[in-house]
Amino acid sequence: KAGVTQTPRYLIKTRGQQVTLSCSPISGHRSVSWYQQTPGQGLQFLFEYFSETQRNKGNFPGRFSGRQFSNSRSEMNVSTLELGDSALYLCASSLGPSGSYEQYFGPGTRLTVT
Amino acid sequence: GQQLNQSPQSMFIQEGEDVSMNCTSSSIFNTWLWYKQDPGEGPVLLIALYKAGELTSNGRLTAQFGITRKDSFLNISASIPSDVGIYFCAGRGGGFKTIFGAGTRLFVKA
Repeated sequence: KAGVTQTPRYLIKTRGQQVTLSCSPISGHRSVSWYQQTPGQGLQFLFEYFSETQRNKGNFPGRFSGRQFSNSRSEMNVSTLELGDSALYLCASSLGPSGSYEQYFGPGTRLTVT
Repeated sequence: GQQLNQSPQSMFIQEGEDVSMNCTSSSIFNTWLWYKQDPGEGPVLLIALYKAGELTSNGRLTAQFGITRKDSFLNISASIPSDVGIYFCAGRGGGFKTIFGAGTRLFVKA
């Protein structure tokens, strides 16, 4: 069974631009969570989607948004990029809500904002 | 909100040594998870613990779910260079989201 895939793996953007990251969960998994990881920081929870509905949200500004499609694939969008948004963005999928099921992570998208 | 305290933050050890790291929480968890993250990759699930007192092994790794349900530890025996990475604990309880520790960065000198 294929694992979680994330595209693109690497991305360079300029301040003020917007970016969209994609995540395809493990087949059969219906929940997708997004995390931001910066050097020296742990995993900062962004949001979780389950059955196309946002289930939980972390403490990030409204510039960070996401959505989930009927096939469980998810996208995350960041608008008006700031230098501090440079990070590894990780997507994790689980069979059901992450509060009840193990999460499996993708390789991440490394975003660099210049 | 819920928080996990993971320690130590980093460890520098010699190849062949045993390693121990732990996580504590102010809240009770129903599940404890341990992940390892290699540089430039996403975390990989190593061990999942579901019952207080449970002791589970995965090769040279052993993890335990604390009796109080507020802590867990991970041991690595006879460390090797490929054990290098960041180890995260995660706790889950009440059907809410999974909470992650800040990670323990492990360095192994050959």
